[in-house]
Amino acid sequence: EAQVTQNPRYLITVTGKKLTVTCSQNMNHEYMSWYRQDPGLGLRQIYYSMNVEATDKGDVPEGYKVSRKEKRNFPLILESPSPNQTSLYFCASSYRGGNQPQHFGDGTRLSIL
Amino acid sequence: QKEVEQNSGPLSVPEGAIASLNCTYSDRVSQSFFWYRQYSGKSPELIMSIYSNGDKEDGRFTAQLNKASQYVSLLIRDSQPSDSATYLCAVNFGNEKLTFGTGTRLTIIP
Repeated sequence: EAQVTQNPRYLITVTGKKLTVTCSQNMNHEYMSWYRQDPGLGLRQIYYSMNVEATDKGDVPEGYKVSRKEKRNFPLILESPSPNQTSLYFCASSYRGGNQPQHFGDGTRLSIL
Repeated sequence: QKEVEQNSGPLSVPEGAIASLNCTYSDRVSQSFFWYRQYSGKSPELIMSIYSNGDKEDGRFTAQLNKASQYVSLLIRDSQPSDSATYLCAVNFGNEKLTFGTGTRLTIIP
């Protein structure tokens, strides 16, 4: 089954404790992306990757890091999480770029205390 | 800043009627347009993509694009209670980013 898999689905943690949210896709997609969704603000793009070792900032990259060492994986790293990063996070992928339909993972609800 | 605007709703439509959802965007060079449906607590699910002016139909759904007016809409015919969800408009402004509107919450009244 074609899918984008995120882990964990839920996480409660404390300020300053580094965390990583993993994302993996099995569709051989070149493009992967991370979004956060907040009430009243909608989905906002954090980072995207056009292919292995090719990443770029989205609209809200501050406080986040990403890496793309393998085509299928695109982890989101919060090195020093803060309460304002409490949000619902989605990973997505598409065949080749941001101008193509994106398939979303099930989401990660992150709470930073 | 490239923007995508949607009426947040809620939009209430009787079962069996046509639901009309609208979206405007800020840049004429936009290339690709998408409608996603998101049920509460779930991830966005692609309904339609449209790339050129005019109408595109898929079952009960029709997307309409007017690039001159910077306007894209989604019509849902014969609305069903299962269509109750938040509908997200997304626009690719000719780069590799995808910009979403804040969504319109649609409620179908039985």
